[in-house]
Amino acid sequence: LAKTTQPISMDSYEGQEVNITCSHNNIATNDYITWYQQFPSQGPRFIIQGYKTKVTNEVASLFIPADRKSSTLSLPRVSLSDTAVYYCLVGGGNTGFQKLVFGTGTRLLVSP
Amino acid sequence: DTAVSQTPKYLVTQMGNDKSIKCEQNLGHDTMYWYKQDSKKFLKIMFSYNNKELIINETVPNRFSPKSPDKAHLNLHINSLELGDSAVYFCASSPSGWVAFFGQGTRLTVV
Repeated sequence: LAKTTQPISMDSYEGQEVNITCSHNNIATNDYITWYQQFPSQGPRFIIQGYKTKVTNEVASLFIPADRKSSTLSLPRVSLSDTAVYYCLVGGGNTGFQKLVFGTGTRLLVSP
Repeated sequence: DTAVSQTPKYLVTQMGNDKSIKCEQNLGHDTMYWYKQDSKKFLKIMFSYNNKELIINETVPNRFSPKSPDKAHLNLHINSLELGDSAVYFCASSPSGWVAFFGQGTRLTVV
C-alpha cells in the first residue's frame, strides 16, 4: 500500500474554497485514490475516488496530476458543517477485496 | 433503513468483563470490517471478513474474537476487558474496492 502524507490540520472560513493535498510518491500503476470524511462521533463516509485527471461529484472535486504522486481534494464554498477529518487512501484496484488502511487524516476547521 | 447498524451505541463496563458488539449490514456486501478509533482519533483496522471468511487479523490480542454467522453480520466479542480497550469501535461493509460504508460506532468505556 502506498504511504500517504497529508497536513495534520487546516483552518478556513465559511464560503471559502478549501484544497487538501495528499502526497503519495510511491503510488503504483493500478492504485486508486479515495477520500473519506469523518464528522465527530460518526463513522467515516466515502466522498470521492479517482485514478487520474479530475473527478467531480456533488460533494467535492478530486484533482490528480499526470504523475499521480499527489492528489488534491477540493471543497467548494465550505460551510460550518464541513468541519471534519478528511482521509486520503491509496491502494490497488477499485474492485475486489481491499484492505482499507486509514492514515492520520487532515482535520479541517471551518469558522464563521 | 440503516445500512450498517451497530449495537449497542454506548457500552460501559468494568475491567475483566466480557462483552460483545453486534454489527449488521443490509447492503448485500461481501466484505465487512472492524476498526478501532482510540482517544487520539487514529482509525486502526482490526479484522476483515470476506464472504464469512477471516481475511485480515491485524495483530489484535486474542481477547478479541470476531464472528461472522453469515455475510450480513460481523460481531465482535471481547474477553477480559482492559482499560486500554476503551475506544470507539466501527463496523464497516464494502461491496468491493475502496468504497466502504461505516456504522455509527460503539463507544466502549472500560472502568
